[in-house]
Amino acid sequence: DGGITQSPKYLFRKEGQNVTLSCEQNLNHDAMYWYRQDPGQGLRLIYYSQIVNDFQKGDIAEGYSVSREKKESFPLTVTSAQKNPTAFYLCASSIEGFWGTGELFFGEGSRLTVL
Amino acid sequence: GQQVMQIPQYQHVQEGEDFTTYCNSSTTLSNIQWYKQRPGGHPVFLIQLVKSGEVKKQKRLTFQFGEAKKNSSLHITATQTTDVGTYFCAGGAQKLVFGQGTRLTINP
Repeated sequence: DGGITQSPKYLFRKEGQNVTLSCEQNLNHDAMYWYRQDPGQGLRLIYYSQIVNDFQKGDIAEGYSVSREKKESFPLTVTSAQKNPTAFYLCASSIEGFWGTGELFFGEGSRLTVL
Repeated sequence: GQQVMQIPQYQHVQEGEDFTTYCNSSTTLSNIQWYKQRPGGHPVFLIQLVKSGEVKKQKRLTFQFGEAKKNSSLHITATQTTDVGTYFCAGGAQKLVFGQGTRLTINP
């Protein structure tokens, strides 16, 4: 079945540690995205990539880093510079980038708790 | 920057009552999308509207896109317990911006 796989589903880390969240898709989509969701809030864009080896900062990129070495994969690293990293992280993909009109397909999310 | 505001933030209804959520943008949108997120789940695409004044229906759900392409609404007729969740609109010109969502709870 085609889809987006995020791992891990739940993650606990100590303050000051870097954390990498995995996102893999087998939909053959060009564009991939990372969103952050906090309770009672909408989705805020962290980073997006419209093509392999290229990515752009979203609205809240500070303290995060990404790579896009393969079409299928778009890992997100939450660095120690992120002041409030505890959140629900959602990865998504679409056939086209933002200039297109394609729907976003979301993974099941990764819930990060920093102790 | 572009903002998409969604109201209300919360709505509690009795099963069988209607429900509406509204989405307003500070700028003209090229399209508007609607997503549903069940409790504990991830957003799932419902529909996309592109044309000014467009109205689309999916069973009990009616979606509208305003004439000026700056606002949209989702109306659910005769809610059922399966409608529980948070409904998000998302729109943009060059970037997709999500509203804060409307959380719908239903009293059976």
